[in-house]
Amino acid sequence: GAVVSQHPSWVICKSGTSVKIECRSLDFQATTMFWYRQFPKQSLMLMATSNEGSKATYEQGVEKDKFLINHASLTLSTLTVTSAHPEDSSFYICSARVSYGLATDTQYFGPGTRLTVL
Amino acid sequence: GESVGLHLPTLSVQEGDNSIINCAYSNSASDYFIWYKQESGKGPQFIIDIRSNMDKRQGQRVTVLLNKTVKHLSLQIAATQPGDSAVYFCAENISNTGKLIFGQGTTLQVKP
Repeated sequence: GAVVSQHPSWVICKSGTSVKIECRSLDFQATTMFWYRQFPKQSLMLMATSNEGSKATYEQGVEKDKFLINHASLTLSTLTVTSAHPEDSSFYICSARVSYGLATDTQYFGPGTRLTVL
Repeated sequence: GESVGLHLPTLSVQEGDNSIINCAYSNSASDYFIWYKQESGKGPQFIIDIRSNMDKRQGQRVTVLLNKTVKHLSLQIAATQPGDSAVYFCAENISNTGKLIFGQGTTLQVKP
């Protein structure tokens, strides 16, 4: 099946530093990847849509200068949390869409990255 | 926006019983619906999906029902097992965007 990996699985950093999270589709190509954030006991909230070779599209309320997204290849998207602060501590999850050429395509999720900012 | 401070509803069932998890969706333009299972500290795992031109779909031990009239989705799990304990989310695909909007989730607890 379609496998999506994330690296690192967890990271602890000091306030003010930047952290990069990688999302890879291992056995398929994904023209579109998505980044979500999940706080404890809450649902997943879509942050942005990442399209290979073009700029990411951010959801309302998500700062594009703080959450930098790069989708340089069909199997890799990265999310960089710049100048991280404790309120950015969260579980970040990516997904990749398998495209069968249909209007509705399945998204497969990565295992998530736990970010803790001290 | 985010629902800060809300706790996920919990469904507690006895092992071997059937479970029914409900979800209300909001967008009439949604054309595709998915149920995901999320275990603690892990990403969501695909369970079953259904397109808007169907009202029922069955998988292995799971059935999804879709009622577009009242914008309601349900997941039925037959013979619930301890390994089914997790948080279950419904998600709706917004037509022509590819975006998924997740419901608030339900915690399923299976008692041995």
